[in-house]
Amino acid sequence: EPEVTQTPSHQVTQMGQEVILRCVPISNHLYFYWYRQILGQKVEFLVSFYNNEISEKSEIFDDQFSVERPDGSNFTLKIRSTKLEDSAMYFCASSVGGWNYGYTFGSGTRLTVV
Amino acid sequence: DQQVKQNSPSLSVQEGRISILNCDYTNSMFDYFLWYKKYPAEGPTFLISISSIKDKNEDGRFTVFLNKSAKHLSLHIVPSQPGDSAVYFCAASEETSGSRLTFGEGTQLTVNP
Repeated sequence: EPEVTQTPSHQVTQMGQEVILRCVPISNHLYFYWYRQILGQKVEFLVSFYNNEISEKSEIFDDQFSVERPDGSNFTLKIRSTKLEDSAMYFCASSVGGWNYGYTFGSGTRLTVV
Repeated sequence: DQQVKQNSPSLSVQEGRISILNCDYTNSMFDYFLWYKKYPAEGPTFLISISSIKDKNEDGRFTVFLNKSAKHLSLHIVPSQPGDSAVYFCAASEETSGSRLTFGEGTQLTVNP
């Protein structure tokens, strides 16, 4: 079964450093997403990406965050200057587009900011 | 943000019995509802969905019921199996293609052998 692949599985970074989280969505999917889950809290939407541009972003997705699809397969989330409160599990997801098929999520990257 | 709420943080049932997981929402613009299952150290896995024009959708052991007037949905698993033990998330969306999902807090289901 096709998978969404995320790397690395765990990233530790110092406060103020830049991090790039990487994702390889399913090849025939058209919509790409980033979600995050802070420990003990809900899964929260960050951003959606379609046709090489951001289609929607949440209030969490401020100027510190950016997304890119640098080639035909990778989808990245960059956090420019990490803060302690950015520590969370970050999930990439992709979808064909139809709501009834759901999204396929990756296994996540655990980001720890120290 | 309390648009989607799962009031029970945990549920424990015996193998073979029915598991009923509940979810309430407040945003009347939500048109599509989904249930996801999540194991530790994995991402959420899509289980089943329902559109607001329906009140029931069934897929094998999983059935989702939607009561639009009460803004309530539930997931029934029957019969429950130990492998169903996981965190179950309810999620809702306003549109079809590409719309954000708003998640509930999750309910930890434990199915005892």
